[in-house]
Amino acid sequence: GQQLNQSPQSMFIQEGEDVSMNCTSSSIFNTWLWYKQDPGEGPVLLIALYKAGELTSNGRLTAQFGITRKDSFLNISASIPSDVGIYFCAGQPGGTSYGKLTFGQGTILTVHP
Amino acid sequence: KAGVTQTPRYLIKTRGQQVTLSCSPISGHRSVSWYQQTPGQGLQFLFEYFSETQRNKGNFPGRFSGRQFSNSRSEMNVSTLELGDSALYLCASSAPSSYNEQFFGPGTRLTVL
Repeated sequence: GQQLNQSPQSMFIQEGEDVSMNCTSSSIFNTWLWYKQDPGEGPVLLIALYKAGELTSNGRLTAQFGITRKDSFLNISASIPSDVGIYFCAGQPGGTSYGKLTFGQGTILTVHP
Repeated sequence: KAGVTQTPRYLIKTRGQQVTLSCSPISGHRSVSWYQQTPGQGLQFLFEYFSETQRNKGNFPGRFSGRQFSNSRSEMNVSTLELGDSALYLCASSAPSSYNEQFFGPGTRLTVL
């Protein structure tokens, strides 16, 4: 089945640094999404991308839908302590894959003040 | 708008028992998807319902089932519980206009002893 490879698995950074993480797929997706999950909570949608090459920002977060439609990346600028959490990419191939998102393994982000 | 709600938040069961989890989607959302999250397998898609019909199903055994009611609320049932069913069960809802953007509830933490 489809798999998403997300990297890095974990990051330890200093407050104020920029962060970059990415996701690659073995197959094409029509939609890429980025989520953040805090301990004991459900994932929170950060950014949704619908077109190849699309670049979308949400505050200090910027995400891009790769031109090949098989990858996406997320950048966080000027990190702050509340950015700590697990970040997931998710893809949706379209067609009859109703309601099914395929998730990456997650990137654990730690921010040192 | 109120977010996705899930009840109960925590549940402890023993092997062989069955369990029913409940999900109330965001008002106006008609699609509800269910996921299982474990440390080893990550987020795995269980099934999706729309207008009381299951449109998509993941690769889980028949012990996992679900249903959706006319008010879009959904339930999932796991029969003959196994130790490996211990997980965080998440439900997500989406609006008809942007069905790939799924909004998650806080999850139900199921522990099977």
